[in-house]
Amino acid sequence: SQQGEEDPQALSIQEGENATMNCSYKTSINNLQWYRQNSGRGLVHLILIRSNEREKHSGRLRVTLDTSKKSSSLLITASRAADTASYFCATDAWGGKLIFGQGTELSVKP
Amino acid sequence: DSGVTQTPKHLITATGQRVTLRCSPRSGDLSVYWYQQSLDQGLQFLIQYYNGEERAKGNILERFSAQQFPDLHSELNLSSLELGDSALYFCASSANPGQGEVGYTFGSGTRLTVV
Repeated sequence: SQQGEEDPQALSIQEGENATMNCSYKTSINNLQWYRQNSGRGLVHLILIRSNEREKHSGRLRVTLDTSKKSSSLLITASRAADTASYFCATDAWGGKLIFGQGTELSVKP
Repeated sequence: DSGVTQTPKHLITATGQRVTLRCSPRSGDLSVYWYQQSLDQGLQFLIQYYNGEERAKGNILERFSAQQFPDLHSELNLSSLELGDSALYFCASSANPGQGEVGYTFGSGTRLTVV
């Protein structure tokens, strides 16, 4: 069963705008990861945030983690059409068994 | 190319049949994980192997089995296939479970269609 819930399920924005996706989970975690999937292809790891971290940046990506609320958010700044994909959060409780959310489908219109 | 190789990319088979999906992990990675992605269940963890030994089991059906060989490649065997087994099957690898800042490396998947 899925541990994570993501919202929104779908997001449509214009190029240049920021996109924010949220993820909630249920149990204690070691780390939380975000992945991107382009139209049924393989998952690409984007960023990992550990349970003792609150915020992390990687290029145009910013991830926050609030362990007290069991939630995380992914912000993509200055979005591009190439960012169009599904984005999944995944929690890692002990090392390897990733529990994925249902994903957010992002559409960035040129 | 992620470095994790999955074959075949597509597979169409009939109900009741048996298939084998193959995964070669990224060079140097000892852990292999199998995931199933379907429209109704989303991404589900199936099973993990570490250096040839089963490490953890998830929502894997009894009709499914897997193994990791001495050369570290892994195979996922699906038998008595049902229509509901149609899904995308992913393999992922990592050097060691839970280590590093790089997450897990996924292959491009095998799309299984049961007709």
